[in-house]
Amino acid sequence: KAGVTQTPRYLIKTRGQQVTLSCSPISGHRSVSWYQQTPGQGLQFLFEYFSETQRNKGNFPGRFSGRQFSNSRSEMNVSTLELGDSALYLCASSPDGPPREQYFGPGTRLTVT
Amino acid sequence: DQQVKQNSPSLSVQEGRISILNCDYTNSMFDYFLWYKKYPAEGPTFLISISSIKDKNEDGRFTVFLNKSAKHLSLHIVPSQPGDSAVYFCAASGYTGNQFYFGTGTSLTVIP
Repeated sequence: KAGVTQTPRYLIKTRGQQVTLSCSPISGHRSVSWYQQTPGQGLQFLFEYFSETQRNKGNFPGRFSGRQFSNSRSEMNVSTLELGDSALYLCASSPDGPPREQYFGPGTRLTVT
Repeated sequence: DQQVKQNSPSLSVQEGRISILNCDYTNSMFDYFLWYKKYPAEGPTFLISISSIKDKNEDGRFTVFLNKSAKHLSLHIVPSQPGDSAVYFCAASGYTGNQFYFGTGTSLTVIP
C-alpha cells in the first residue's frame, strides 16, 4: 500500500496570509490526525478527523482548522499566519477502531516570514 | 503541561550493546503507548506499541516494557546497530480516539 502523502512538502508564506495543507491517508484508513512539530515543543496534537467529523481537538487557537472529505483525504488550514506558526506539520492516518498505530507522512515544512 | 516526558535528550551506545530509552507519563487514563523512530526531514516511523493490559511486547530487536504503577515505559533495542541512530519518540493515548501525546524525543547514537 502507498503511504501517507502530504502536499506541498515546503511552503514559504508571509505573516498575515493563510495556508492550506493537504494529506492523503493510507488506503482504507479513516482516521487522520494532524500534528505540529517545533524544536521547542516537540509534536503537538492539533486535531483528528474520523469519517468527516472532528473527533478530537488539541489546544490550538481557532486560526487552525481542518476538514476531511468522503474519501478520507484531509486538509488543514491556518489563517492569519504568525511567525510562531513556522513548523513541520505532520499528518498521520490510522485504521479503524480504538487507539491504533498512527502512520505518518513526510510532513509539510511551513516557514512564515 | 507535558503529560509525556523523555528526560534524556540524548543517548550514546556502542554497536552490539543494549539501548534503553525511557519515557514517563503523568495521566493515569493513558492506556495505549507507541514508540516512533524519526530521521531528519522525515515523518516518524512506527516501531512498536503496547496496551495497558500487557507489561511487555516484543518485535524482533525491539521490546517495550510498561510499568503502570510507576507510569513508566521503556524501549530496549538489542543488539543496537548504527542504523538505529535516530530520534526516538514515545507517545500515549487514552481510549478516546487517536489523540496522542508525544514526548520530546531522545536522540540515539550507536557508535560503530
